[in-house]
Amino acid sequence: SQQGEEDPQALSIQEGENATMNCSYKTSINNLQWYRQNSGRGLVHLILIRSNEREKHSGRLRVTLDTSKKSSSLLITASRAADTASYFCASRGSSASKIIFGSGTRLSIRP
Amino acid sequence: NAGVTQTPKFQVLKTGQSMTLQCAQDMNHEYMSWYRQDPGMGLRLIHYSVGAGITDQGEVPNGYNVSRSTTEDFPLRLLSAAPSQTSVYFCASSYFGLAGDSNEQFFGPGTRLTVL
Repeated sequence: SQQGEEDPQALSIQEGENATMNCSYKTSINNLQWYRQNSGRGLVHLILIRSNEREKHSGRLRVTLDTSKKSSSLLITASRAADTASYFCASRGSSASKIIFGSGTRLSIRP
Repeated sequence: NAGVTQTPKFQVLKTGQSMTLQCAQDMNHEYMSWYRQDPGMGLRLIHYSVGAGITDQGEVPNGYNVSRSTTEDFPLRLLSAAPSQTSVYFCASSYFGLAGDSNEQFFGPGTRLTVL
């Protein structure tokens, strides 16, 4: 099974609202990353948070990490139509070099 | 820089055929990996490599072989194609630091494989 599970599986919000996606993982990690995938395209890296960090910002993105709960969240503020995509978390374990992806959240922004 | 390139973009195979999916990167990245993505699903790790001559299995390695003879190339071989291997295959690369820095993965455009 995958290292990360994401919640919700699908999210539909109105343009301008905030979108929050959650990711849980199973083993201790070195870092956790978030990626975006537009339909039928490759993945694009959004942000990386290390295990010793609790929060990180990049533009309209805010990522939090709670290692005690083995979970992370991605917040997209003031959503736009162009944010419509699938979002995936990916974690690199602290004792392994491989990077494992979660199941993803499909985000739809309604105009 | 071309980044991560994959060939072919599309491929149709018959059950039992073998083929190699090519992946190359020009960023001098140590870490390279192969994922498969089934419709509406996330990415599952097939094999990965932390440097030339070093490969390891991911989550779903059965039916696939890899080799890493150079830093730049990481081909994925399907030994005897099965319909269950119909998927989109993505290759990715990144720097690999023990401190966990610079692990941003750069992805290729993908290979869409259909096995009949």
